[in-house]
Amino acid sequence: LAKTTQPISMDSYEGQEVNITCSHNNIATNDYITWYQQFPSQGPRFIIQGYKTKVTNEVASLFIPADRKSSTLSLPRVSLSDTAVYYCLMNRDDKIIFGKGTRLHILP
Amino acid sequence: EPEVTQTPSHQVTQMGQEVILRCVPISNHLYFYWYRQILGQKVEFLVSFYNNEISEKSEIFDDQFSVERPDGSNFTLKIRSTKLEDSAMYFCASREGQGNNNSPLHFGNGTRLTVT
Repeated sequence: LAKTTQPISMDSYEGQEVNITCSHNNIATNDYITWYQQFPSQGPRFIIQGYKTKVTNEVASLFIPADRKSSTLSLPRVSLSDTAVYYCLMNRDDKIIFGKGTRLHILP
Repeated sequence: EPEVTQTPSHQVTQMGQEVILRCVPISNHLYFYWYRQILGQKVEFLVSFYNNEISEKSEIFDDQFSVERPDGSNFTLKIRSTKLEDSAMYFCASREGQGNNNSPLHFGNGTRLTVT
């Protein structure tokens, strides 16, 4: 199974850029790196996915170095509503496992 | 935007009773999943389903659990004899799959199951 490691929690302030890094040392050639966001009492929501270098969408950017053993989710100018748990996963096989994620707390 | 829908949003049942949790995945998706999340804990994989059969399941998914796709749209999770420890949020998810093994999961908003 693809194992990922993320910080358990992070605090930041409104308006700041937040970077959450995930380690995935045993990433396989065919794996894509996928990030999800989860608010309390809701299902996880897909944020962004990438294979290498940089991907950007309207919500976030994802930076992946050449060796692909880690990735960084970047949230520009966060607001209070970005307080959530963020998960980094490999979509490998059909047993897609969530780790504990990073609990991001945005302060006013 | 198409979404995964789950019913009911909240189900209360007595220990030992059978419950069926219902999900309507996104219509062109081929892979279906059930996860659960006990309050304050992480999202746990239960089972994946493709081509009308289980493709993977976890240790949690024992003989008390079963899944079914009874028609072209619904995907159900049945718990035969509920235990107190089955109390959790149950999330259904689906993904496209066809031509893209890395397509992301789309989750419903969950069913909160309370076993008393």
